[in-house]
Amino acid sequence: SQQGEEDPQALSIQEGENATMNCSYKTSINNLQWYRQNSGRGLVHLILIRSNEREKHSGRLRVTLDTSKKSSSLLITASRAADTASYFCATPPGYNKLIFGAGTRLAVHP
Amino acid sequence: DVKVTQSSRYLVKRTGEKVFLECVQDMDHENMFWYRQDPGLGLRLIYFSYDVKMKEKGDIPEGYSVSREKKERFSLILESASTNQTSMYLCASSPQGGLGQPQHFGDGTRLSIL
Repeated sequence: SQQGEEDPQALSIQEGENATMNCSYKTSINNLQWYRQNSGRGLVHLILIRSNEREKHSGRLRVTLDTSKKSSSLLITASRAADTASYFCATPPGYNKLIFGAGTRLAVHP
Repeated sequence: DVKVTQSSRYLVKRTGEKVFLECVQDMDHENMFWYRQDPGLGLRLIYFSYDVKMKEKGDIPEGYSVSREKKERFSLILESASTNQTSMYLCASSPQGGLGQPQHFGDGTRLSIL
């Protein structure tokens, strides 16, 4: 069962541009998390935003959360080739577990 | 630094074989997870363990079993491998407590069943 769905499925940009990915979810959440996965590797946790937060920053990452629309966005500013990866949102359906979306594939071209 | 180690990066087995995938974490986490990842389907939870010898079925447990005899180790077992179990398998761990603790992942095992 998928709780979060990312949009777009794939995104191709040039180095230096900003990349925006969106996530929609279906039920009420306590928090929403974003992960990155480089090709052939495991997922790496990037950032967690709680339901009572609207925006959070971490370096070049900016995450917003709109609980009324059940949506979140991840903005990567000044993208680099090293940002090329798949990005997933994840939400907790209950204690301990997470449900992951299908991901957005980001390609950043030099 | 936090580390989740999966025993093999690549594995090739034959249909009908019993396959063991091993995962070890060094963070003293209570929770451990096994996912499979297929193109277009994202991550799907196979099994979850919240304590030694405790397990809970995920979304797709059919054809799999798990073992957690020690806190740091969580094994996934394919009882009789089939070609539709060819996939990327990811192990993760997280601490106990609260709704949705961040998970730490291993680098995955790409399993091919011939």
